Amino acid sequence: DAKTTQPTSMDCAEGRAANLPCNHSTISGNEYVYWYRQIHSQGPQYIIHGLKNNETNEMASLIITEDRKSSTLILPHATLRDTAVYYCIVRGYMEYGNKLVFGAGTILRVKS
Amino acid sequence: EAQVTQNPRYLITVTGKKLTVTCSQNMNHEYMSWYRQDPGLGLRQIYYSMNVEVTDKGDVPEGYKVSRKEKRNFPLILESPSPNQTSLYFCASSLSVPRGRGTDTQYFGPGTRLTVL
Repeated sequence: DAKTTQPTSMDCAEGRAANLPCNHSTISGNEYVYWYRQIHSQGPQYIIHGLKNNETNEMASLIITEDRKSSTLILPHATLRDTAVYYCIVRGYMEYGNKLVFGAGTILRVKS
Repeated sequence: EAQVTQNPRYLITVTGKKLTVTCSQNMNHEYMSWYRQDPGLGLRQIYYSMNVEVTDKGDVPEGYKVSRKEKRNFPLILESPSPNQTSLYFCASSLSVPRGRGTDTQYFGPGTRLTVL
């Protein structure tokens, strides 16, 4: 997987948008950007993924820069239950074992 | 509800006592995988299965066995557990292994916290 860089931690006020950045400057043309999160000791949860266009689903929006070297995950109205570690992962196809490689991620703390 | 289930969720056992952690998915997924998560080491893949009767080693397979006799089930077997296998274990599944399309979404179970004394 291409290397990603995320801030170690971020705070966000409840009800406000949480914007989580991710740098992936070495991403190649066939690699996708995936976001997962892990709420304390629970199983990682898929959030969203994209290739080059911006994506939105019921959980979040994903904004990918035109050069694809960075992206931002947006949780539009963060709640206390969104407090978790958020992982940005870049992956292409035929990864050995199809495994997901999680980096350190960003600890998002949503505060009331 | 589409989900991956694991049992047991918590287990304390002693060295050498064989155990099995079950994993089941109800999404008709081809691909299943086991990970362990340890502080400071992140998620590491133990074994994976591309489909029924097709399994292969991940990054840390030593001390573990798996089988895939049915599509929905992928049990993890510890024949002789040791304290260094104390960990949080996750099972995951996805619809299929990407074949040139470059995308897949993996769904994780709730985890099994294993302590080997």
